[in-house]
Amino acid sequence: NAGVTQTPKFRVLKTGQSMTLLCAQDMNHEYMYWYRQDPGMGLRLIHYSVGEGTTAKGEVPDGYNVSRLKKQNFLLGLESAAPSQTSVYFCASSSYTNEQFFGPGTRLTVL
Amino acid sequence: KQEVTQIPAALSVPEGENLVLNCSFTDSAIYNLQWFRQDPGKGLTSLLLIQSSQREQTSGRLNASLDKSSGRSTLYIAASQPGDSATYLCAVSPFSGGYNKLIFGAGTRLAVHP
Repeated sequence: NAGVTQTPKFRVLKTGQSMTLLCAQDMNHEYMYWYRQDPGMGLRLIHYSVGEGTTAKGEVPDGYNVSRLKKQNFLLGLESAAPSQTSVYFCASSSYTNEQFFGPGTRLTVL
Repeated sequence: KQEVTQIPAALSVPEGENLVLNCSFTDSAIYNLQWFRQDPGKGLTSLLLIQSSQREQTSGRLNASLDKSSGRSTLYIAASQPGDSATYLCAVSPFSGGYNKLIFGAGTRLAVHP
């Protein structure tokens, strides 16, 4: 039982490049989330999903897209990376209790 | 708009002390409140979840209380140990915006020295 896993762990991009972050969970959770964490700030919700095939915008969705084609996977895409997207990205999942379980994070630097 | 504040931002204590971390939120209309622990370079680990109808939850040396009417929660750590050193985050799930969203505070960075 791996819980929530994220790939990759680290990535460096140049401005304008694109990439996809993958999140996988093996707890059969309905809900999945993508957050970003910046120094001195709490986590901020980017997008979330309440079930397979559904997605919704969170607090800071601009510049990101997501997809939930399979219940266990939640993908976060950056179509044209910008330096302002340098951050640590966390994926989380939860059941109906809303106790959220987090992955180890992806540290992204955009030059 | 719901805002979550954690005071102090950093705390350093000697081993063995009992300590209290504070969390306040501006809107009392919440489903629940969670406390998390984050070690440097790692993800978040859920410590305690308090539903809005509850006043406290306990797990080992940790006790979290919730006073919804005053918009406050405290995390009490008994007999602190160097292994407790980490950043502690609280988050609320607000009525507005949906049950399954969390609004986080910026965290309290705790250092417990031998």
